[in-house]
Amino acid sequence: NAGVTQTPKFQVLKTGQSMTLQCAQDMNHNSMYWYRQDPGMGLRLIYYSASEGTTDKGEVPNGYNVSRLNKREFSLRLESAAPSQTSVYFCASSADSGYTFGSGTRLTVV
Amino acid sequence: QKEVEQNSGPLSVPEGAIASLNCTYSDRVSQSFFWYRQYSGKSPELIMSIYSNGDKEDGRFTAQLNKASQYVSLLIRDSQPSDSATYLCALVHASGGSYIPTFGRGTSLIVHP
Repeated sequence: NAGVTQTPKFQVLKTGQSMTLQCAQDMNHNSMYWYRQDPGMGLRLIYYSASEGTTDKGEVPNGYNVSRLNKREFSLRLESAAPSQTSVYFCASSADSGYTFGSGTRLTVV
Repeated sequence: QKEVEQNSGPLSVPEGAIASLNCTYSDRVSQSFFWYRQYSGKSPELIMSIYSNGDKEDGRFTAQLNKASQYVSLLIRDSQPSDSATYLCALVHASGGSYIPTFGRGTSLIVHP
């Protein structure tokens, strides 16, 4: 029972490079989310997907794009990474009883 | 913007004591409330959910919700050093058919032997 799986766990990018963070859940949840967590800032919602085929912006969407590939997978793309995007990124999925988080991706942009 | 406020702490309590963590929120429409625990370098994990006014108990944890006063709290009885972590309060509100969780910044709890 894997829950929510995120890859990679760690990544270092140079400014301007692009990358995609992958997320997959095996709990048959409709809703999926991408958060970033910075020291002192808590969890901030980047994008969410209420169901397969739909995506919406959250609190801090600038510089990111997402794809809900199917019900299981929700990816986050950084087209041109900036140092301000250095953060820990969490993917989550939800049922009525709460939200389950992946183990996170620690991203550093130099 | 849904605001969720938590005292960042740290809250320091001795082993065996009751730890009381509080959270206030600004909107009256939110229906669901959650408490998460996050150990350093790890992902948040769900402790409890609460949906209606009053108390909800689960083992050593009790969640309290007061919608009229717009606060939710978490009590941890018989605190253990293993409870030392950051505790995140979250509320969920409906928006355009979706349910959007908003998290507070968390309260750091230290339980000392």
